[in-house]
Order: sequence, then C-alpha cells, then structure tokens
Amino acid sequence: DAGVIQSPRHEVTEMGQEVTLRCKPISGHNSLFWYRQTMMRGLELLIYFNNNVPIDDSGMPEDRFSAKMPNASFSTLKIQPSEPRDSAVYFCASSPGTGDRSQHFGDGTRLSIL
Amino acid sequence: GESVGLHLPTLSVQEGDNSIINCAYSNSASDYFIWYKQESGKGPQFIIDIRSNMDKRQGQRVTVLLNKTVKHLSLQIAATQPGDSAVYFCAENINGGFKTIFGAGTRLFVKA
Repeated sequence: DAGVIQSPRHEVTEMGQEVTLRCKPISGHNSLFWYRQTMMRGLELLIYFNNNVPIDDSGMPEDRFSAKMPNASFSTLKIQPSEPRDSAVYFCASSPGTGDRSQHFGDGTRLSIL
Repeated sequence: GESVGLHLPTLSVQEGDNSIINCAYSNSASDYFIWYKQESGKGPQFIIDIRSNMDKRQGQRVTVLLNKTVKHLSLQIAATQPGDSAVYFCAENINGGFKTIFGAGTRLFVKA
C-alpha cells in the first residue's frame, strides 16, 4: 500500500526564496495534517484539513506560511519569503477520519534555509 | 505533552528486557491518546492508541496504560529488541477532535 508521499525529501535554498512542499495523502483518508519538527520545539501541528477544508491553522507561524488542499489527493505548504529559522523537517500526515483518528505520516521534507 | 528542549529523556535497556516509557499530559479534556515510534530519517509511525474510557489496551508486544486520575500514560514493550530503538512520542487529542498535541519524546536505546 502506498503511504503518505512527500516531496521533495530534501530542499536547500537561500533565504528570501519561495519554498513549496508537497504531499499526497493516503487514498480515502479524509483528514490531512502538516507538522514541523525541530530539536527545540519538537513536533508542532501547523494546520489540518478535513475533507479538503482547513479546520485549524492556529499553528501556522505567520503570514509567510500558507497551505492549500485543492483536492483530496494533494496538498501544498508554501513559505514565502523563507528565512533561516524556517529550517526544520516538515511532515505531512493523513487520517482515515470519522471513528479513526490515528495518523499516518510521510517521511518528511528536510528544509534548510541558508 | 510537556515542553520540549534540546535533550530528550533517554531510556537504555538490555535486549530481551521489558521497557516502560512514561508520559504526562495536562488537558483533562483529552479523550484519545496515541503512541508513535520515530526512527531516524522517518516520520512517526503509529504503534497503539487508547480512548479515555479505557485504562489498558494491548497489542503485539506492546501495552498502553492510561491513568486519568493523575493524567499519566505509559507504553510497555515486552522483550525489547534492537529494532525497537527509536524515539517514542505520546500524543493526545482533545474533545473528540483531530487536533493532536505531541509530547517531547523519549529516546529508547536497546543494548544487544
């Protein structure tokens, strides 16, 4: 079974550049989550969608971050402009939804902003 | 979940021994708890979950115990193997929702 697929796996870019992270959730899952993981702050929920609709974006750091889910099989997380403090591993996860709240994670995108 | 920092709590066990990883949570409204395992370079992997109307749940080699009185969760791994070496996170959901709050994690080392 294909799990959650994230791309790219690694990204290195200079500060000020736009960064786009991509996620394909598991087919049939109704909920999608974006997390950021750093040594200092651990795993932080940034935003989650239910049936392609953003439900809670209170974890999004600031206006430089935006996330979209145009359809049930694709989501993006954008950072514009990027800053060195955005360097982290970004994870996408999906969940079956009603009755099952377990989350299935992708292997993440390691982002380095120089 | 608790505050996080640079240094994860670490548990070191001998292969074949049982491991117990503990977690404290703070929100009385948390109604669903999950344990995840994260290996280096990978995303967290679901291990086992428990709802707040239960106090124990068993899986293959793993048991989760929930004590709502003191807001404590534990993960027991029987006959720990080298492949169990990883960081383990507890996570909580609140009020039937999907928003998940992760704890800081515990690093488990298994000595052969």
